Amino acid sequence: KQEVTQIPAALSVPEGENLVLNCSFTDSAIYNLQWFRQDPGKGLTSLLLIQSSQREQTSGRLNASLDKSSGRSTLYIAASQPGDSATYLCAVSGGYQKVTFGTGTKLQVIP
Amino acid sequence: ETGVTQSPTHLIKTRGQQVTLRCSSQSGHNTVSWYQQALGQGPQFIFQYYREEENGRGNFPPRFSGLQFPNYSSELNVNALELDDSALYLCASSFVGTGEKLFFGSGTQLSVL
Repeated sequence: KQEVTQIPAALSVPEGENLVLNCSFTDSAIYNLQWFRQDPGKGLTSLLLIQSSQREQTSGRLNASLDKSSGRSTLYIAASQPGDSATYLCAVSGGYQKVTFGTGTKLQVIP
Repeated sequence: ETGVTQSPTHLIKTRGQQVTLRCSSQSGHNTVSWYQQALGQGPQFIFQYYREEENGRGNFPPRFSGLQFPNYSSELNVNALELDDSALYLCASSFVGTGEKLFFGSGTQLSVL
């Protein structure tokens, strides 16, 4: 059974700081890994998708890496802004079309 | 290009009742999946539909059922509601062949009293 863990559960940083969010998974036989952002009471917004054959993806100030062999992914956010405050979730897609989410990291960027 | 839309946005039911939630997939997508998200938790996979057939299911009892229609819209039906069914229900659509990037709707907040 795939298990996805995200550390830390919550993070508070001053505006402008670079930060790293971590995601680990127990079964390395994955199809892809996706990072999402969720604002309170809202749906999920896709940030980055990394296929199992890829090592990283970048979009603007965001960079996500994937190391399948160690079961880890990181989301790097450069020059954080108050608008980045949200919960960040990683999701691993495995066999039988099943997607497993982590419990998320709640990020607060303080102006 | 239209996004994923879900209805209703909020719903209040009593224990034992039945509920139907609806989802319209993003234009051009042929796969829809449903998730349950309890407060403070990550979404839990319920099931996925492709070409109107269920092709993947998480650890949810049979009283959770679904349908996908020829226009790729979808329904989630829950029978015999329990208090623990109170959650945010999320629908996601994707297109097989593009790495299956998931696009989510805003969800339906279900409260069971």
